[in-house]
Amino acid sequence: DQQVKQNSPSLSVQEGRISILNCDYTNSMFDYFLWYKKYPAEGPTFLISISSIKDKNEDGRFTVFLNKSAKHLSLHIVPSQPGDSAVYFCAVKTQGGSEKLVFGKGTKLTVNP
Amino acid sequence: NAGVMQNPRHLVRRRGQEARLRCSPMKGHSHVYWYRQLPEEGLKFMVYLQKENIIDESGMPKERFSAEFPKEGPSILRIQQVVRGDSAAYFCASSPFETGGTLGQYFGPGTRLTVT
Repeated sequence: DQQVKQNSPSLSVQEGRISILNCDYTNSMFDYFLWYKKYPAEGPTFLISISSIKDKNEDGRFTVFLNKSAKHLSLHIVPSQPGDSAVYFCAVKTQGGSEKLVFGKGTKLTVNP
Repeated sequence: NAGVMQNPRHLVRRRGQEARLRCSPMKGHSHVYWYRQLPEEGLKFMVYLQKENIIDESGMPKERFSAEFPKEGPSILRIQQVVRGDSAAYFCASSPFETGGTLGQYFGPGTRLTVT
């Protein structure tokens, strides 16, 4: 039973355009949301996070949006660069609970020059 | 400042052998997490440890798998009598304190286990 779903296994975008990666979750107890980026043969790298008390968090070219009523979050990358090509994982946790992260299956982003 | 270190990076074991995976957390980090990634899947939580304590092992298979994080030395994930289904990438992450999840856990490069 998948608690975190990333329904697009892959996404291809032109350099300079916006990349939008989506993530849906089922459990309303989740209240902290993170995005990780992963290159082949490397471990995931933390990108950006957002708590449930916010609906937007921005860090440079990366913005995460949270829609609690829809149980949906998205990661926007503007402008996209070829170096952004990687697998992006959405992860969630419950504050005050176990520190474990629950990951989606990932979306492979390809940014074409 | 060295990141999370894992060794070996690649490990090949025959069915029935034991696999030992090591993780050295970032300097100053006392919380360690182990995750497993099967092909085409996301990372799945296995166990969360602090020095000399297992805090959450809800993701660990009931048999053959064990983990420790001793007072001195790296954290060890041990798989006894490996089977082909254990073939996966095993990632270790660390954080300095309990809010590691909110501040982002720092991941190592992983150990790719292949069982032949």
